[in-house]
This record gives sequence, C-alpha cells and structure tokens, in this order.
Amino acid sequence: AQSVTQLDSHVSVSEGTPVLLRCNYSSSYSPSLFWYVQHPNKGLQLLLKYTSAATLVKGINGFEAEFKKSETSFHLTKPSAHMSDAAEYFCVVSPTGTASKLTFGTGTRLQVTL
Amino acid sequence: DAGVTQSPTHLIKTRGQQVTLRCSPKSGHDTVSWYQQALGQGPQFIFQYYEEEERQRGNFPDRFSGHQFPNYSSELNVNALLLGDSALYLCASSPWAGGPANEQFFGPGTRLTVL
Repeated sequence: AQSVTQLDSHVSVSEGTPVLLRCNYSSSYSPSLFWYVQHPNKGLQLLLKYTSAATLVKGINGFEAEFKKSETSFHLTKPSAHMSDAAEYFCVVSPTGTASKLTFGTGTRLQVTL
Repeated sequence: DAGVTQSPTHLIKTRGQQVTLRCSPKSGHDTVSWYQQALGQGPQFIFQYYEEEERQRGNFPDRFSGHQFPNYSSELNVNALLLGDSALYLCASSPWAGGPANEQFFGPGTRLTVL
C-alpha cells in the first residue's frame, strides 16, 4: 500500500520569498515520488521526479525537492517565488518500476502575493 | 508531438445517462491510465490499459469501464450516471517498460457535469 500526505492545504507567500510545500509518504516498497503542478483550467504538468538516484532532485522553473528516507518526506522548495507559481501542487507516489498507478495527495494551493 | 489529447473538452449529461470519453496517448506510449478528479481533490486512479487489456483497477464500481484500441488510444465509459460522477476526467499515458519509472503524461482532461 502507498499513500502521501500533504501537510498544508493552502500556502501563501510574498513574491520573491522562499516556497516550502510539505509532503510525507508511506510505501511498503521502494517508491518513486513526483511533484505535479496544475494551473487553473490546465492539465497536470510534471515538475520533478525521484526514482532512487540522487536524493536532491532539481525540476523545472527553479523547483527542487529532497528525498529523506529517514523522515519519509519529499518536500518541494523554491528559493524565490514568482507570481506565475500560483497554482495547485500535488505530491505523488508510485512503486518504482514499470508503469503503475499514481497515488496523489490532496493538493496544496500556493498563493503568491505582491 | 501533440502530447496526450482528450475529447470532448466539456460534457453535460443527466442522471442515468451513459457517457464515453476518449484519449489518444503521447507518441511512443502504449499504456493509458484514467483518473477522476473531483472538485478540490487530487486525482483518483480509475484503471489502466495495456495491450488492450485492463491491467490495474482502482476502487471504482463496474459502471466505469474502458477499452483500448490497437493504436493505443482508449475510451472511458460510465453508465447510469450519478450526480457524484461530476468531475474532471484525466487521461495519462506512459511506456509500459523501458522508460522513466512511472512518469505519466497527462492530457488536459474532460470536464463532465451531471445534472
């Protein structure tokens, strides 16, 4: 069984300040972990993925995440928020290997203010 | 490469009716998965098709069924629609083997409204 818990349903930051979106996972086997972003009225876009290689993963648009097995966490960070980062972010877990179902968290809505 | 495409974009049905949604996978992908995203929630896995067979299924009733064609495109059918079936239905494609672990590419979705 696998699951993810996104610890904040809503995060608000000022433009230019750091972003931290928190995610804890549970998996009975070696997981792959992903962060997806969903802008209003648009599809899901992959930000970054962890697949048992480097624990610090860099993604698109300046986002990165660190896989911490001891803490079962995969938090998403960005040094400086931009207005265009405002969106819904989903932490996702899946068994490592061939195609398998994705299990999504409930999402974190990121608001960026001036 | 057009990526994953879905049709229609929006659909309005009444309770009890049946609906068919369509998906064309990204070029080179042979596996299609379907997800339901209710308003304000994360997507929930419905089922996955590979080699024209259902390979995995989530916790959805038999009213939800699917099909995959030889060209890898797929359909999602929902019978006896309920108000609670109103949601964004997302299609995702991936390679069954040989690609990045489970990286799925999503289409823009079909917004289904049941009245």
